[in-house]
Amino acid sequence: EVVMTQSPATLSVSLGERATLSCRASQSVGTNLAWYQQKPGQAPRLLMDGASTRATGVPARFSGSGSGTAFTLTISSVQSEDSAVYYCQHYYQWPPYPFGPGTKLE
Amino acid sequence: EVQLVQSGAEVKKPGESLKISCKGSDYSFDDYWIGWVRQMPGKGLEWMGMIYPGDSDIRYSPSFEGQVTIAADRSITTAYLQWSSLKASDTAMYYCAKCTRGGGVFEVWGQGTVVTVSS
Repeated sequence: EVVMTQSPATLSVSLGERATLSCRASQSVGTNLAWYQQKPGQAPRLLMDGASTRATGVPARFSGSGSGTAFTLTISSVQSEDSAVYYCQHYYQWPPYPFGPGTKLE
Repeated sequence: EVQLVQSGAEVKKPGESLKISCKGSDYSFDDYWIGWVRQMPGKGLEWMGMIYPGDSDIRYSPSFEGQVTIAADRSITTAYLQWSSLKASDTAMYYCAKCTRGGGVFEVWGQGTVVTVSS
């Protein structure tokens, strides 16, 4: 089973700064990688799939990159509403499709 | 608008059984995988399993296989997650989510169902 890891566990950035979140898979998952955002008290929201394709309505300041085992979610200019926990998830080949442990963006 | 509406919060005792539901609307229910995700208090997301309502193909995470049962009723476009004997450690928020075509990516989420198991 593929294991997902994320770093850092917590990331503190100032408004307007760039935020870079990392996700690693224990083996290659190609570009079968999704990112989700979860704000307190809310259900998760899909941000990105295919490693770099923004979901409908996701602002352009969010971008994704990577393939194989290393992936990055970048927020080019962090806004206050971006405070959340961000999870990556692979969906390569057969289930299960585990999530990473999350990165809390403050 | 595609929606998933989950059943309400539950408070149960250890050893009791429970079935929670997730009703899909405004899309072809048979043609998209629906998954279940657990979130224990203050913790991250855990992928539990998924079902394809069209043919009832079900895939479980090894961590949850044998602990829960996933089902769906196509006639009422509803998916279910059920337990035969709850434990205190089942206390969590449970989300259902509709996958994109092809499966795997959760593009639409339910609002979540809180399950509390306490004696």
